[in-house]
Amino acid sequence: GIQVEQSPPDLILQEGANSTLRCNFSDSVNNLQWFHQNPWGQLINLFYIPSGTKQNGRLSATTVATERYSLLYISSSQTTDSGVYFCAVGLADNYGQNFVFGPGTRLSVLP
Amino acid sequence: NAGVTQTPKFQVLKTGQSMTLQCAQDMNHEYMSWYRQDPGMGLRLIHYSVGAGITDQGEVPNGYNVSRSTTEDFPLRLLSAAPSQTSVYFCASSPLSQYGYTFGSGTRLTVV
Repeated sequence: GIQVEQSPPDLILQEGANSTLRCNFSDSVNNLQWFHQNPWGQLINLFYIPSGTKQNGRLSATTVATERYSLLYISSSQTTDSGVYFCAVGLADNYGQNFVFGPGTRLSVLP
Repeated sequence: NAGVTQTPKFQVLKTGQSMTLQCAQDMNHEYMSWYRQDPGMGLRLIHYSVGAGITDQGEVPNGYNVSRSTTEDFPLRLLSAAPSQTSVYFCASSPLSQYGYTFGSGTRLTVV
């Protein structure tokens, strides 16, 4: 099956710093999402981005499907950005709604 | 809108016991799924459904049953709990015509 890798596994930043999280996947995909899991365990969808670039405030994401990677950029990080960031790639099934998750990048933003 | 509601939030079971984890959504989403989250492994798909009466297996279905009698509800049944099923369970829903999960708040299950 498809393999999803994320790097780095852990990241510690000072508030205000920028960061780039990477997601590599082993096969062609049609769907890709980024999620944030906050320290209380809640999972929030950040981006649906099978290709191209999207931006939402201080966060942006880029997927280069032909090279099998996606990047999540966090600018001017805040303590509320702490948590785990997951990349999830879509399975090649009939519905396009089932995803394989990477192991996540744990981000800690220090005040 | 309540979104996706999972109950209970915490549960401790003894090995061999059975139980049902509840998931309900009020957004009329066709797609619903169950994932389990284990430390360092991300989330893994257990079962999913694309509408009432339609269910299918995901990556790790053994030991779990599901049914979908209504659009709103998608319960997950543990038939005979084992310590390997200790995990955090998340229910997710989405319209079939769009992408972007809405997750429930999770159920933390411990099997002793």
